[in-house]
Amino acid sequence: QLVLTQSPSASASLGASVKLTCTLSSGHSSYPIAWHQQQPEKGPRFLMKLNSDGTHAKGDEIPDRFSGSSSGAERYLTISSLQSEDAADYYCQTWGTDIQVFGGGTKLTVL
Amino acid sequence: EVHLVESGGGLVKPGGSLRLSCAASGFTFSNAWMNWVRQAPGKGLEWVGRIRSKSDGGTTDYAAPVKGRISISRDDSKNTLYLQMNSLKTEDTAVYYCLGFGTWGQGTLVTVSS
Repeated sequence: QLVLTQSPSASASLGASVKLTCTLSSGHSSYPIAWHQQQPEKGPRFLMKLNSDGTHAKGDEIPDRFSGSSSGAERYLTISSLQSEDAADYYCQTWGTDIQVFGGGTKLTVL
Repeated sequence: EVHLVESGGGLVKPGGSLRLSCAASGFTFSNAWMNWVRQAPGKGLEWVGRIRSKSDGGTTDYAAPVKGRISISRDDSKNTLYLQMNSLKTEDTAVYYCLGFGTWGQGTLVTVSS
């Protein structure tokens, strides 16, 4: 069964970096994912598509502070030089032949 | 600029029906695989269903909780995606988003309540 697992919460200080993790279920470690950001009271925004080899393609106007990487079944979103507007929920998403799946989301607090 | 604009949400009684629309612009809609995603109040994102481009068969896939009660269609001449929802339940209350071509719409709220 295709499942994505995310930690419910994360926190980091203003100006620091944070690395969020999305883990693919067993047998699905080669799958690409997408990362999405949802700021409070707003709709989601596509950040990037991330492949199993770590290559990624970002959406329009996504700052260079956002980057992606991969290791095995884990997909990472790294945000550097954290700004207050980075406080948001971050969701990963993947897809199979006849299904799409979202992770439960990680709520990022910027201290 | 790529834009997706949903419409058609509102208040509906349990057992009722509703059709949502998503108007697309700024990209070649006919080539895009399009999704509907929903978010219940205070909850995370939940995939609802997907339609492939006609060149890829135009077929649909649906999430288990809504299968048999919803139908996704598209009108490429109007650059518009549709979500027909029947036999609505209170647990279908959510903001419904269309997602495609790396872009989200702003969402439309569906409230199912008596």
